[in-house]
Amino acid sequence: AQSVAQPEDQVNVAEGNPLTVKCTYSVSGNPYLFWYVQYPNRGLQFLLKYITGDNLVKGSYGFEAEFNKSQTSFHLKKPSALVSDSALYFCAVRDRNTGFQKLVFGTGTRLLVSP
Amino acid sequence: GAGVSQSPSNKVTEKGKDVELRCDPISGHTALYWYRQSLGQGLEFLIYFQGNSAPDKSGLPSDRFSAERTGGSVSTLTIQRTQQEDSAVYLCASSLAGQGYQPQHFGDGTRLSIL
Repeated sequence: AQSVAQPEDQVNVAEGNPLTVKCTYSVSGNPYLFWYVQYPNRGLQFLLKYITGDNLVKGSYGFEAEFNKSQTSFHLKKPSALVSDSALYFCAVRDRNTGFQKLVFGTGTRLLVSP
Repeated sequence: GAGVSQSPSNKVTEKGKDVELRCDPISGHTALYWYRQSLGQGLEFLIYFQGNSAPDKSGLPSDRFSAERTGGSVSTLTIQRTQQEDSAVYLCASSLAGQGYQPQHFGDGTRLSIL
């Protein structure tokens, strides 16, 4: 069975500082991994994905994520946080070997960036 | 271009009533998904449609929930005899089909409140 863990309910960071939002996953085969962001009263917006190849994936709005197979992690990072990055972030996984098309999401991490 | 459109954006109804939620996916997207997001929870998969194939209904929580997709485009999620625990945001997503690495694109959801 697929699963995703986001161990932090909330991450607080000051504007201009680097941020990290953690995600670990569990799949029986090889994963496709995704990060989404959700602003209040909106749907989820795709940020970036890992398929294969380079472990460092770059996405929208200056975000990037690092795939670590040995640690089964896919942490979201940004070198310099903005107040406007404050939102709810979801990590999601799909096992590419099972044929399941549905994404399994983590419970989300709220990012608060203070001025 | 147009994104995923959901209607209504908000629905308030009395316990025991039936409700219909509508999703209009992105043109050309043959895969369509319904999720439920409860307060403080992650996203719960409900149902998945892919082209003319039989839908994956494995996430529907009870037989009060059903969904259909007409003409491979618009989808309707129906909840019969609503209960207070059905209160949640119902999100629809669509994607290009065939490859599991295609990101899903979400609508802004329908916020359902059962009195």
